[in-house]
Amino acid sequence: EIMLTQSPGTLSLSAGERATLSCRASQTIRFNFLAWYQQRPGQAPRLLIHGASSRATGIPDRFSGSGSGTDFTLTISGLEPEDFAVYYCQQYGDSSYTFGQGTKLEIK
Amino acid sequence: EVQLVESGGGLVQPGGSLRLSCAASGFTFRTYWMHWVRQGSGKGLVWVSSINSDESTRNYADSVKGRFTISRDNAKNTVHLEMNSLRVDDSAIYYCVRGGWYEMLSWFDPWGQGALVTVSS
Repeated sequence: EIMLTQSPGTLSLSAGERATLSCRASQTIRFNFLAWYQQRPGQAPRLLIHGASSRATGIPDRFSGSGSGTDFTLTISGLEPEDFAVYYCQQYGDSSYTFGQGTKLEIK
Repeated sequence: EVQLVESGGGLVQPGGSLRLSCAASGFTFRTYWMHWVRQGSGKGLVWVSSINSDESTRNYADSVKGRFTISRDNAKNTVHLEMNSLRVDDSAIYYCVRGGWYEMLSWFDPWGQGALVTVSS
């Protein structure tokens, strides 16, 4: 089973700043099948990025994904108040569909 | 609009059973993989189970294998999760999620609002 490790656990930033979230896999993710999800308090997760770098429908272009193999990054340029939430990466390169433990993005 | 609505959550004693249902609308349900994902209180996301379009393939996390059964009714656009021999550590919000179009290896989108399952004596 592929393990995903997200860092940092918590990221404290101000609105307008740039956030960089990391997701590292224990082995190569096939076809870069890596997704990012946002979860606001009390809400269900929402898909942001799939295929490591493709934005989902309706996701603002301040969200971008990059990386390949075992190292992936979610970048949020120009943080808006509604972006402060928990972010999860997920691999779907095999049918164990594992998630990272999450990064909490909090207001500084 | 694609929508997933879960029902059937509640409080159950350890060793008991519960059946979750998920009603889908806004897309051609019979052509998509469907999944269940759970989230314990204050914890992360954990994939639980998956089913393909014609029920010929069903997958389970090791933690629920032999206790949980996933099924679907394509005529009624619903997917179910039958949960038996429930344990305290099965307590979580259970999300119904759409997977890929005839594709097992795909991202999860969208997610239902979740059904809360509490296992406690």
